[in-house]
Amino acid sequence: QVTLKESGPVLVKPTETLTLTCTVSGFSLSNARMGVSWIRQPPGKALEWLAHIFSNDEKSYSTSLKSRLTISKDTSKSQVVLTMTNMDPVDTATYYCARIRRDSSGYYLVDFDYWGQGTLVTVSS
Amino acid sequence: NFMLTQPHSVSESPGKTVTISCTGSSGSIASNYVQWYQQRPGSAPTTVIYEDNQRPSGVPDRFSGSIDSSSNSASLTISGLKTEDEADYYCQSYDSSNQGVFGGGTKLTVL
Repeated sequence: QVTLKESGPVLVKPTETLTLTCTVSGFSLSNARMGVSWIRQPPGKALEWLAHIFSNDEKSYSTSLKSRLTISKDTSKSQVVLTMTNMDPVDTATYYCARIRRDSSGYYLVDFDYWGQGTLVTVSS
Repeated sequence: NFMLTQPHSVSESPGKTVTISCTGSSGSIASNYVQWYQQRPGSAPTTVIYEDNQRPSGVPDRFSGSIDSSSNSASLTISGLKTEDEADYYCQSYDSSNQGVFGGGTKLTVL
């Protein structure tokens, strides 16, 4: 079955760089109709999309966070990595990775059909 | 920037029907698919509607989705409300650059 699992630090200091890893199973990162997204949710607040990556290395980033984010993948390890620089207390959130699908035409993006359990990252000195 | 606006909260009684709206800020909401997610406290979101009006297997047909191009909005309708439907609901789509966009979420109370 399809699973995604986030891993990384639970606590980072302000100005530090956060590195999160999403390890997937049950599908391949080389599948052209599947990709992986990162989404975060501050405590008690709404979901916020951060970035996604597809098999052809197509990447997209949130405009407001683009300068701080880098997404990459290692297909052989079934892992997607997100780095976020210059962390601030407002970046405290649960960070999720999720599988994103394309529709049957292969053109349009559809839903995040499988999600990891999420990992709470707290930014504090 | 493309944004999706939802009501902060809605409430309704068990057995009734509720509709949650999701209004696009610019462009045509019909240009990309709209999805709806249900999120219970402490859990990751799950899809209840994808591709505007499709239900994943396992989601009851009490859940339905629609698009209204005239008002540039999407709607999630839940009929025959059950207490187990109480959750946060998020609409989601993409902007013209394929960046993901979530609505602010709607807290559904079934009382």
